[in-house]
Parts: sequence; structure tokens; C-alpha cells
Amino acid sequence: SYEVTQPVSISVALGQTATITCGGDSIGLKNVHWYQQRPGQAPVLVIYRDSLRPSGIPERFSASNWGNTATLTISRAQADDEADYYCQLWDSASAWVFGGGTKLTVL
Amino acid sequence: QVHLVESGGGVVQPGGSLRLSCTTSGFSFSTYRMHWVRQAPGRGLEWVGLIASDGSNQYYADSVKGRFTMSRDNSKNTLSLQMSRLRPEDTAVYYCTKDQSIAESGEGGFDYWGQGTQVTVSS
Repeated sequence: SYEVTQPVSISVALGQTATITCGGDSIGLKNVHWYQQRPGQAPVLVIYRDSLRPSGIPERFSASNWGNTATLTISRAQADDEADYYCQLWDSASAWVFGGGTKLTVL
Repeated sequence: QVHLVESGGGVVQPGGSLRLSCTTSGFSFSTYRMHWVRQAPGRGLEWVGLIASDGSNQYYADSVKGRFTMSRDNSKNTLSLQMSRLRPEDTAVYYCTKDQSIAESGEGGFDYWGQGTQVTVSS
């Protein structure tokens, strides 16, 4: 089965840039989607198809996907960005796969 | 506006059954694949299964295959998840969610989610 790896947690200073990775074998060949989940709330799609933002998602959220790593970047981090972030992809053998999630702390 | 509202959660004994429902509005329900995703306490997201837009095909995670069955009623814009032979490890919040894309699986993510319903399997 296809596996993806995310760091368990990262921290970022207020106003700085946070980078969250999602590693997997040739993940660059797959479409990767990213979700934000605040405590007690349902997930929200923040990036789809590697780098596209749904309407209503701030431009501070950007992403890329190349080689064995997909990356979510949050610029000018705000307190409101503190949440869990999950990458997700479809694999023909494993169906839908979520990463284990990364807890972002804004200091 | 798109709305998805889950119902039917509760406490059930191991080996028991439960049926979850998801009532939707605000989009063309019959056009999109639908999914269930669950989240065990303090854990990450786990995809449970999907059903094709016309209900003709379903796919399930290995962890629930043979025990869970998804169905849909496109005339009522509702999605269901019949869960049987429940185990303690099925304890989770269950989310109903809409596929973003009408193209091949994977082209889009899951763009709308319900607020979830809690399922607890315990004696």
C-alpha cells in the first residue's frame, strides 16, 4: 500500500513562514491535496491538485509537488493558522490515502 | 450554499450494527462521488469508502471491507453508511464528504464536509 509521511509537529513564529512536507515514493506523479483542521472542527480543503487554492483560501497558502516530496507553505503565519494539516492523494492500488497529519503551532 | 449533515451516531456494543445517514443540499448530489472519512479520538483522518455518483460502484478501505456498506438515494440527496460487526477500533467521528471532481478519482480533493457524527463501540 502507498504510504505518505508527514512531520508530527512543527512550530513557526508569528508572521514567519511555515513549511509542511508530505513524503512518498514519486509523489510528484500524483495529485496531492491539503486540508486544515482546527480543533473540534471538520477539515477544510486548502489546496487541491498540488497547488490550486479553493475560493476563499488566502494567498498566504501555497504548495508544490515534485519528486518524492509535496510541500505546503504558509506565509506570514497568523495565530488562526494553528491547526492540524493533512496531505491526501489517490493511489490506484491503495485508493485514498491521508498523511498522518502535522500539528502546526504558531508561537 | 452546500450543506452536509450527518446523523445516526451513537453507542453500540462490539459486534453490533449502526446506520449513518448524510443529508445534503446546495449542489447537484447525483453528479458527484461521495465519501465517508473517519477520525478516531486523537488520531488522524482515515478514508472509509466512496460511492460512485449513480451508486453503481463502491470502494472501501481494507479496515472496513466486508463489514461496511455505502448506499445513496439520489432522489432524496442522501448518503448512507451501514456498519455491521462493529469493533472498538471503529470508534471515531464519521464525516460525510463530497468529491470535488466529476473526473477521475484523485483529480480533486474533498471540498465539502459535514460536521461529523460520533460512533462509539464499547461494551
